[in-house]
Amino acid sequence: QKEVEQDPGPLSVPEGAIVSLNCTYSNSAFQYFMWYRQYSRKGPELLMYTYSSGNKEDGRFTAQVDKSSKYISLFIRDSQPSDSATYLCAGTSGGSNYKLTFGKGTLLTVNP
Amino acid sequence: DAGVTQSPTHLIKTRGQQVTLRCSPKSGHDTVSWYQQALGQGPQFIFQYYEEEERQRGNFPDRFSGHQFPNYSSELNVNALLLGDSALYLCASRGGAGGPLEQYFGPGTRLTVT
Repeated sequence: QKEVEQDPGPLSVPEGAIVSLNCTYSNSAFQYFMWYRQYSRKGPELLMYTYSSGNKEDGRFTAQVDKSSKYISLFIRDSQPSDSATYLCAGTSGGSNYKLTFGKGTLLTVNP
Repeated sequence: DAGVTQSPTHLIKTRGQQVTLRCSPKSGHDTVSWYQQALGQGPQFIFQYYEEEERQRGNFPDRFSGHQFPNYSSELNVNALLLGDSALYLCASRGGAGGPLEQYFGPGTRLTVT
């Protein structure tokens, strides 16, 4: 079992839709979770960073972590064509551990 | 504020050759990590450097080695290249011990081994 599992999609939605992207993880030591957006042939761009369980909101983006079920989610409201990209979730235990463990990424297309 | 920079952008090498990739961290960052991203996969951790020492290493063979310089920039070296080493190599930086955990990635170097 991979430490971070993510449905690779692809996911296609109409402009303005609410998008839900999800990951599960198996490593109980993970306490910090990040979502990255990666456009084709570019480096990942940090979108959201959360610690432990709970919600975090930043504009149209909301990240949720449920440590009891080892489930992390990213919601995108009012999706735009510019949101079309691959979304990567990652976890780490933090502290002196610098390693991020990533899922495979979900390819999202927002159609105008 | 300059972000993470990497060079070169693209590279084509032949099996058995050696390659060196370079990274300059984001201003104010002193810790550099390297990741390998195969096509259709998430990035995989290779190793990270802090205070010019390798602090943590992922599941990669000794053919992968690195270095960090006093100005915090870093190099990734890969010896005896294999076809399977073809990938996007990403450098990420963050503030040092006790600093924020967020890691910021560069644009990557796309390595093709023929």
